[in-house]
Amino acid sequence: GAGVSQSPSNKVTEKGKDVELRCDPISGHTALYWYRQSLGQGLEFLIYFQGNSAPDKSGLPSDRFSAERTGGSVSTLTIQRTQQEDSAVYLCASSLVAGGGFFGPGTRLTVL
Amino acid sequence: AQSVTQLDSQVPVFEEAPVELRCNYSSSVSVYLFWYVQYPNQGLQLLLKYLSGSTLVKGINGFEAEFNKSQTSFHLRKPSVHISDTAEYFCAVRIQGGSEKLVFGKGTKLTVNP
Repeated sequence: GAGVSQSPSNKVTEKGKDVELRCDPISGHTALYWYRQSLGQGLEFLIYFQGNSAPDKSGLPSDRFSAERTGGSVSTLTIQRTQQEDSAVYLCASSLVAGGGFFGPGTRLTVL
Repeated sequence: AQSVTQLDSQVPVFEEAPVELRCNYSSSVSVYLFWYVQYPNQGLQLLLKYLSGSTLVKGINGFEAEFNKSQTSFHLRKPSVHISDTAEYFCAVRIQGGSEKLVFGKGTKLTVNP
């Protein structure tokens, strides 16, 4: 596709359930980023991939959060045992070289 | 660690007026600087970026920003705004030669009134 796509666009889940959020980056972009946007915390970096490896995962808030990237393309962010404080918009971005990135529309996660 | 301060959380202006959205950063090393715009219920769109070279950077939709190293600022300007510029604007910084992550400011909500 022409841009970064994310699915689902909205996800409502119950506290304690696991969720998977998907990101399809722009074709050929080797760098991929996950950010989280919430009212209280603003935009927070979660993890950065270069190819399939994650040289910087310093923003993952706890061990309930994990992410992987396969084939240098699609990435999945998994949140285990969701908590209400996980409610936020999860944004994915990709770039070809250093210098910011192109963002997807986000996945709005609501944990009840 | 680097940080970004957007001094104004909300900026109301009238249509066709000029606007400046302020951004200051803190970093002990050289940085790259970015401005993103977020329209309601949409993702972030890159407006402009400063990587090197001329300190005056021109972006999309008639916006420009000037990098001032001595004042550690990267203010965003537009000489004449439109109703359609109503959105939230985020300033971001990334350190040169280090982590690829962007550190964002809290955002400035620009409201353009008729």
